[in-house]
Order: sequence, then C-alpha cells, then structure tokens
Amino acid sequence: DQQVKQNSPSLSVQEGRISILNCDYTNSMFDYFLWYKKYPAEGPTFLISISSIKDKNEDGRFTVFLNKSAKHLSLHIVPSQPGDSAVYFCAAREHFAGGGNKLTFGTGTQLKVEL
Amino acid sequence: GAVVSQHPSRVICKSGTSVKIECRSLDFQATTMFWYRQFPKQSLMLMATSNEGSKATYEQGVEKDKFLINHASLTLSTLTVTSAHPEDSSFYICSAITGGYSNQPQHFGDGTRLSIL
Repeated sequence: DQQVKQNSPSLSVQEGRISILNCDYTNSMFDYFLWYKKYPAEGPTFLISISSIKDKNEDGRFTVFLNKSAKHLSLHIVPSQPGDSAVYFCAAREHFAGGGNKLTFGTGTQLKVEL
Repeated sequence: GAVVSQHPSRVICKSGTSVKIECRSLDFQATTMFWYRQFPKQSLMLMATSNEGSKATYEQGVEKDKFLINHASLTLSTLTVTSAHPEDSSFYICSAITGGYSNQPQHFGDGTRLSIL
C-alpha cells in the first residue's frame, strides 16, 4: 500500500521555466511534509518542508504548496536551472503514540532541466 | 550544519560475511537515527528507528536478528548485516535528527552500496 505517491517518474523542463513536481498521499495522519533532492550515489538532501497547518512555504526558487482536502502537495521550482536536474522525493511524516515518528517516501520524480 | 557521514560508501563481499555500516552525525547530537534501504528505481523504505541508548524499533518484515542496530552514543549508530546473502544487496542509507517532535528534517548520509557475491 503506497501511502505517498509520485505519479510522474520523470519530468523534462527547459532552463528558466517552471518545474512542478506533484505528490499525493492517502494517510490523513501525516502532519509534516518534506521534499528531498537526490543525486546518484548520494543520500537525499533536504530542500523544503511544510507543516500540515500551512498551505504554502517559500524558500528562494522553491515553493511547496499543500492542499489538505485533496491530500496533494506540489513543489515549484522557478526559474529552473540545469543544476536542479536530480531525483526529487516527496516525504510525509506521521507521529506515533509514545513519541516516535516515521517518514514515508514517494518513489521519486527524475527532473531534467535542459538548456 | 547538520552533516551526516556514512561509512563505507561501498562494500563488496562474499556470501556469509557480516558487514558493519557506520552512521555519524558530525556537527549535532542525534537523539534518533533511521536506517533505510533502497532498491533500484524504488523508494526509500524505512528499516528501523534507533534512539540513543535504547533498542531499535524495526519495521514490519525486517528481521532484527539479520540487521543488528546499535546506537550507543549521540553521534554514532551502526547497522550490521549478519551472514549477508545476495538478496541483501542493496543501497542502505541512514538519517538523523535531534529531538522527536519539532518540525525539523531528517538529514541523510550518502549511503552504502552493499554487493554480496
């Protein structure tokens, strides 16, 4: 049961244009959402996050939007740069009784920014 | 800040060997560390959560006797794959956070590519 889904395995965008990466989730207990960027043979690098009480968070060229009613979030990158080419993972956090928490990751979207 | 170092980056060994992977938080104290496994073109799957000084909590389907986790200090957690077999070949990644409830991201190491011949 895939609780976090990234339905687009790949996305190609021209340099300077906007990249929009999408993520859907099914678990209403998720309270915090994150986007990570990953290059081959490296660990994921944190990009931006959003709490479930907000609907938008912006950091430079990166903006994350959250639509709780639709259980959907998206990452906008504008303007896109060739260095943004990587795999982007959406992740969602759930807290558990007793103090633990857990991240569930999507399957990733390979973004390619072309010159 | 928030650098996580994972070692070794790549291991190739014979079937039946036990392999230890280290995960260190270099510039912060990690109360909680996480171990993930990633198969090709798939998502990161959480294997276990490790809190400093206590036993790790394993996800369903992960054999605790196969994947031994030790988190003896606030900056070091180790994952030992015991008697490794070819099906254990995978990309193993650790992450770390400080505290449990604050809205802060997990910071990841660069992973270990384990290949069992």
